[in-house]
Amino acid sequence: EDKVVQSPLSLVVHEGDTVTLNCSYEVTNFRSLLWYKQEKKAPTFLFMLTSSGIEKKSGRLSSILDKKELFSILNITATQTGDSAIYLCAVGRSSGDKLTFGTGTRLAVRP
Amino acid sequence: DTEVTQTPKHLVMGMTNKKSLKCEQHMGHRAMYWYKQKAKKPPELMFVYSYEKLSINESVPSRFSPECPNSSLLNLHLHALQPEDSALYLCASSQGETGYFIGYTFGSGTRLTVV
Repeated sequence: EDKVVQSPLSLVVHEGDTVTLNCSYEVTNFRSLLWYKQEKKAPTFLFMLTSSGIEKKSGRLSSILDKKELFSILNITATQTGDSAIYLCAVGRSSGDKLTFGTGTRLAVRP
Repeated sequence: DTEVTQTPKHLVMGMTNKKSLKCEQHMGHRAMYWYKQKAKKPPELMFVYSYEKLSINESVPSRFSPECPNSSLLNLHLHALQPEDSALYLCASSQGETGYFIGYTFGSGTRLTVV
């Protein structure tokens, strides 16, 4: 059975801090790892990673995948209160488009 | 149009009611999904439709009945639900082309309360 574990489960930081969120996985026939941000309703897509060692970057957010050690990290620099959300990690297999989600990390950024 | 639209946004139903959740996308995606998300938990897959055919049913109770009338629409029919079925129901879609997966587009969800 596919398994996705995220840590920490929750995190409280102050504006301007840098945070690192972790995601480790065990999946048969791994194809991709995705990060989503979920505020009140639907998860919104952040990154998809398929290759080891290549950093994806979007503004203050960046992510990297290590396929040998089976984990990914999501970094957020200079955090803002608008970054407060649940960050979900999901993995997909090479066959089909089914995603298995981790439990998420709940991030709270205080002013 | 780059959205997945779900209706209704909120639904309160009794245990003897029959209701339906609707999901629509016009991105030409050929795979559509129903996920259930309880509070403080990750989304859990319920059903996958690929090219309008049910391809995955994750052992969901029969009181949930999916339907895909065409490539743009996905319904979830609800009947005789239990209070523990109260959750956020998320619809998602993806390209569905073999070997070409660029992630899901999620709808905003239907928050269902069973009383």
